[in-house]
Amino acid sequence: EVQLVESGGGLVQPGGSLRLSCAVSGFTFSSHWMHWVRRAPGKGLVWVSRINNDGSSTDYADSVKGRFTISRDNAKNALYLQMNSLRAEDTAVYYCARPGAGHYFDSWGQGTLVTVSS
Amino acid sequence: DIQMTQSPSTLSASVGDRVTITCRASQSISSWLAWYQQKPGKAPKLLIYKASSLESGVPSRFSGSGSGTEFTLTISSLQPDDFATYYCQQYNSWYSFGQGTNLEIK
Repeated sequence: EVQLVESGGGLVQPGGSLRLSCAVSGFTFSSHWMHWVRRAPGKGLVWVSRINNDGSSTDYADSVKGRFTISRDNAKNALYLQMNSLRAEDTAVYYCARPGAGHYFDSWGQGTLVTVSS
Repeated sequence: DIQMTQSPSTLSASVGDRVTITCRASQSISSWLAWYQQKPGKAPKLLIYKASSLESGVPSRFSGSGSGTEFTLTISSLQPDDFATYYCQQYNSWYSFGQGTNLEIK
């Protein structure tokens, strides 16, 4: 069974940092690109970032470019999102997601809540 | 950037009803569209990909159609488990989602 479990969320002050993790199991992690998607309170889903299967290529939404860094450790079956210079508008539930055969997402974690507030 | 617009934002319906949700793209996305269902506190669940392909394990009462800029998700006979929020997503050029449709019990 495919499982994705996020952790690392919490309350952080504006300007602060947080590192999210996503532990995966049930599939060959090193064969898949991986993504982060977020949903702010009362809002819809927004794509945040992606990383290729060996970690050599990354992409970001304009809203987080230069502040967030996606990475992975294939030996640990883990995906990460380092978030720096956090803003109130980064408050959201963050999901890790696995793409299917196409560029849609066929598996998602339950999410971890990040709250940026003073 | 491709903008995705869903309608309606909220839909009230009863068990057994046939319901349709529409998703419009700001430019052609061919058939590169997916639909997801999300319940409070849960992960999104893939229902449909490539506009009309049913994900394995998803009940056949769910169907998708459309191409280009206009797409629909239809639930042929609503079941109690179907009351949730539904999102469309384009993956023709990067990734963007609709704002969601909250399907609630009438």
